[in-house]
Amino acid sequence: AQSVAQPEDQVNVAEGNPLTVKCTYSVSGNPYLFWYVQYPNRGLQFLLKYITGDNLVKGSYGFEAEFNKSQTSFHLKKPSALVSDSALYFCAVRDGNTGGFKTIFGAGTRLFVKA
Amino acid sequence: DVKVTQSSRYLVKRTGEKVFLECVQDMDHENMFWYRQDPGLGLRLIYFSYDVKMKEKGDIPEGYSVSREKKERFSLILESASTNQTSMYLCASTPRRNSPLHFGNGTRLTVT
Repeated sequence: AQSVAQPEDQVNVAEGNPLTVKCTYSVSGNPYLFWYVQYPNRGLQFLLKYITGDNLVKGSYGFEAEFNKSQTSFHLKKPSALVSDSALYFCAVRDGNTGGFKTIFGAGTRLFVKA
Repeated sequence: DVKVTQSSRYLVKRTGEKVFLECVQDMDHENMFWYRQDPGLGLRLIYFSYDVKMKEKGDIPEGYSVSREKKERFSLILESASTNQTSMYLCASTPRRNSPLHFGNGTRLTVT
């Protein structure tokens, strides 16, 4: 069975500092990994994905994520945080081998960027 | 841009009512999903559909059913609403297995 863990309920960072939002996953086949962001009273917006290839993937709004197979992790990063990055972030996994579309989400991490 | 439209932003229903949540996507995606979002629990998959008239249970299907009569429309049905179904409901669609989900803005349902 697939699962995703986001170990931090909340991450606080000062504007201009680097940020990391952590994600670990469990899946029996090859993982398809995704990060989404949610602003208040809105649906989720796609940020980036890892399907195959380079372990470092770049996405929208200057975000990037590093896939680490041995640690089964897919941490979201940004070199310099903005106040406007404050939002709820979700990591998600899909099993790339089973042929299905079931996507499992983590519980979410709330990011606060302080000016 | 893909648009996923959920017909209601806010709904208030009484316990025992039959509730319909509607979702329409405009990009001819075959795959559609219903999630509920609760604080601290993230998104939990209720049902999904690979094609018209096809459906599969997700992780928490109890108390829900779905209908997919047309490719662009995926409806979530609460047969007899209960207070523990008060939640944010999110619809999503995707064209391919290696593509991300496209979400609607959600329907916040309150059952009193």
